Amino acid sequence: RKEVEQDPGPFNVPEGATVAFNCTYSNSASQSFFWYRQDCRKEPKLLMSVYSSGNEDGRFTAQLNRASQYISLLIRDSKLSDSATYLCVVNSGANNLFFGTGTRLTVIP
Amino acid sequence: DAGVIQSPRHEVTEMGQEVTLRCKPISGHNSLFWYRQTMMRGLELLIYFNNNVPIDDSGMPEDRFSAKMPNASFSTLKIQPSEPRDSAVYFCASNVDRGGGYTFGSGTRLTVV
Repeated sequence: RKEVEQDPGPFNVPEGATVAFNCTYSNSASQSFFWYRQDCRKEPKLLMSVYSSGNEDGRFTAQLNRASQYISLLIRDSKLSDSATYLCVVNSGANNLFFGTGTRLTVIP
Repeated sequence: DAGVIQSPRHEVTEMGQEVTLRCKPISGHNSLFWYRQTMMRGLELLIYFNNNVPIDDSGMPEDRFSAKMPNASFSTLKIQPSEPRDSAVYFCASNVDRGGGYTFGSGTRLTVV
């Protein structure tokens, strides 16, 4: 079983739509969680950390459910510039990040 | 802050040749990671250094791959001899060892023909 699993998509949504990505992780001892964004032919970049209480950064909201070992990312009012691959990332506690294979999002005009 | 610096950006080489990829982590970061990314397998951790010491090299595919970190500001990943299946984007990343996120370099796109 993979450490981190996420739906590869693609998700094709119109501008202004709300879209949600989900991810599950296998190691119940995992300690920290992140969403990264990767544009085509670029490096992954940290989008936001995910906290147990949930956290929001503008149009982006991240949630963590430790009981279900589940992480989500919600994007409201999608912009064309949000088109990218979103990677779910879990830190096992040994400073070793495990990356999901990513969910591709395309926002359509 | 210049970020994580990798070189070269692109490398095309013939099968059997030696390839050396280079990385300069962010100053003050004490952990360095080498990843490989392909369409089929996504991001795979190859090796991880902490305070210049290799901690986990279980992801190194085989003996053809080797990595060194002679000091806190420089690391190399070497493939000898290279094979077409080594073609991928190789990323270097660094962080401060507190369980936080990593900062990635721009990557080296390797093509072995």
